[in-house]
Amino acid sequence: QVQLQESGPGLVKPSQTLSLTCTVSGGSISSGGYYWSWIRQHPGKGLEWIGYIYYSGSTYYNPSLKSRVTISVDTSKNQFSLKLSSVTAADTAVYYCARVLRLRQIDYWGQGTLVTVSS
Amino acid sequence: DIVMTQTPLSLSVTPGQPASISCKSSQSLLHSDGKTYLYWYLQKPGQPPQLLIYEVSNRFSGVPDRFSGSGSGTDFTLKISRVEAEDVGVYYCMQSIQLPPTFGGGTKVEIK
Repeated sequence: QVQLQESGPGLVKPSQTLSLTCTVSGGSISSGGYYWSWIRQHPGKGLEWIGYIYYSGSTYYNPSLKSRVTISVDTSKNQFSLKLSSVTAADTAVYYCARVLRLRQIDYWGQGTLVTVSS
Repeated sequence: DIVMTQTPLSLSVTPGQPASISCKSSQSLLHSDGKTYLYWYLQKPGQPPQLLIYEVSNRFSGVPDRFSGSGSGTDFTLKISRVEAEDVGVYYCMQSIQLPPTFGGGTKVEIK
């Protein structure tokens, strides 16, 4: 069974860049048909799609965050990463990585990691 | 973006009783390929969301048959035939016919 695990700093200062990595186990990130995504959830709130990457490197970013987001993939390590620049307190959230089948169905999620933006 | 609206916001259910959650989308979720890209997720306390139903009415692997999904176009419903204690959490609908995928605001289900 595929498992995803987020890692990265839990505290980021305002105006800095948030960086997270998702390590995939139990399956290859290079498997065709799967897209690798980042989704976030503000404390006590709903879910917001950040973007996705395919193993080939093609990406899609939510227009609401596009100017600040970069998602990259390292197939040799079976990992993909998120960078969100110029963060503010509004970026404080639980960040999830997830696998998306054919860009339609999120079938596996990581456990999530809380990132707090504060000085 | 497609707006997903769920009702009710919360639901308190006696164990063994049924429950129903509505989800309405601002645009039709029926794709030209004939599929309708509407999904239901359950987020149990302290956990990530888990997939329950895909493409309106298909139960994901391991999901009990007390969960069922129905609907078409812009109106969808998730039903739990007999609520159990382990069903507590927040239920979300999600559309993926159009990018970015968007989620409903969630319906919190608790046990009486």
